[in-house]
Amino acid sequence: KQEVTQIPAALSVPEGENLVLNCSFTDSAIYNLQWFRQDPGKGLTSLLLIQSSQREQTSGRLNASLDKSSGRSTLYIAASQPGDSATYLCAVEAGDTNAGKSTFGDGTTLTVKP
Amino acid sequence: DAGVTQSPTHLIKTRGQQVTLRCSPKSGHDTVSWYQQALGQGPQFIFQYYEEEERQRGNFPDRFSGHQFPNYSSELNVNALLLGDSALYLCASSPAGTGLYEQYFGPGTRLTVT
Repeated sequence: KQEVTQIPAALSVPEGENLVLNCSFTDSAIYNLQWFRQDPGKGLTSLLLIQSSQREQTSGRLNASLDKSSGRSTLYIAASQPGDSATYLCAVEAGDTNAGKSTFGDGTTLTVKP
Repeated sequence: DAGVTQSPTHLIKTRGQQVTLRCSPKSGHDTVSWYQQALGQGPQFIFQYYEEEERQRGNFPDRFSGHQFPNYSSELNVNALLLGDSALYLCASSPAGTGLYEQYFGPGTRLTVT
């Protein structure tokens, strides 16, 4: 059974800091890993998708890496801003016969202080 | 493009009742997945529909059922509601193609069971 863990559960940083969020998963048989942000009481917004054959993806101030063999992904946020405050979730889509099933971590809640 | 839409936004039901939630996928998407998100936790995969058939299912009882229509929209039905069914129900859509595409989420339906 796939398990996804996100550390830390919460993080508070001053504006302008660079930060790293971590995601680990137990089963390396995945098709992809996706990072999302969620604002309180809202749906999820897709940030980055890394396919299993890729090592990293970049979008603006965000960079996500994937090490499938070790079951780890990191989301790097450069020059953080108060608007980055949200909960960040990672999800892995299962491979093989479980294709289509996505397993989420419980998220890291980020607060960026002005 | 309206993106993924869900209705209703909020719903209050009594234990033992039945509920139907609706989802319209993003234009061009034919795969719909449903998730349950309890407060403070990551979304839990309920099931995925493709070509009007349930393609994958998570660890949810048979009280949870779904349907996909020829226009790719989908419904989630929950029978014999329990207090523990209170959660945010999220719908996600993507194009067909295992592992290749991002999932796009709707704003969710907040279900409260009293």
